[in-house]
Amino acid sequence: EPEVTQTPSHQVTQMGQEVILRCVPISNHLYFYWYRQILGQKVEFLVSFYNNEISEKSEIFDDQFSVERPDGSNFTLKIRSTKLEDSAMYFCASTTGRYESNQPQHFGDGTRLSIL
Amino acid sequence: GQNIDQPTEMTATEGAIVQINCTYQTSGFNGLFWYQQHAGEAPTFLSYNVLDGLEEKGRFSSFLSRSKGYSYLLLKELQMKDSASYLCAVRDSNYQLIWGAGTKLIIKP
Repeated sequence: EPEVTQTPSHQVTQMGQEVILRCVPISNHLYFYWYRQILGQKVEFLVSFYNNEISEKSEIFDDQFSVERPDGSNFTLKIRSTKLEDSAMYFCASTTGRYESNQPQHFGDGTRLSIL
Repeated sequence: GQNIDQPTEMTATEGAIVQINCTYQTSGFNGLFWYQQHAGEAPTFLSYNVLDGLEEKGRFSSFLSRSKGYSYLLLKELQMKDSASYLCAVRDSNYQLIWGAGTKLIIKP
């Protein structure tokens, strides 16, 4: 079964440094998402992406965050200057179509980001 | 504001049945999803409801009442591997998923 893949599985970074988290969505999927989950807390929506542009973003997704689809397969989340509170698990998800009612989002295994 | 409520934690016995409830208040409704999440892993899709009623899928069933803003996930013949968090998520009028905090289910032998 096709999978969403994310790299790295764990990223440790000094505060203030830039990080790029990488995702390869399922190949025939058109909508891509980033979520984060702080340890022990709920999944939080960050951003959705379609047709090479952001569809929606949450209040969390401020100017320090950006997303890109640099080629036909990768989907990246960049955090420009990391803060301690950015420490979380970051999940990438994809789905075939935003409006297709019964299509779930498929999640990658996540990247655990630890900011020191 | 948008809100999804689930119990924080539930305990059940191997072989038994457990019902995990979810109530929601969202801006619009375009379906409700249940996901399972083992500790440190990604959420995996379990079920989807958009019309009122019961959807059955093997040992798992999910029920929806849109008028009451209520859903439940029913797990039968519980196995130890069912110990996980169960996340209720509602797709709102912008087709964005709004997540509950999850219910941690502990299965005892």
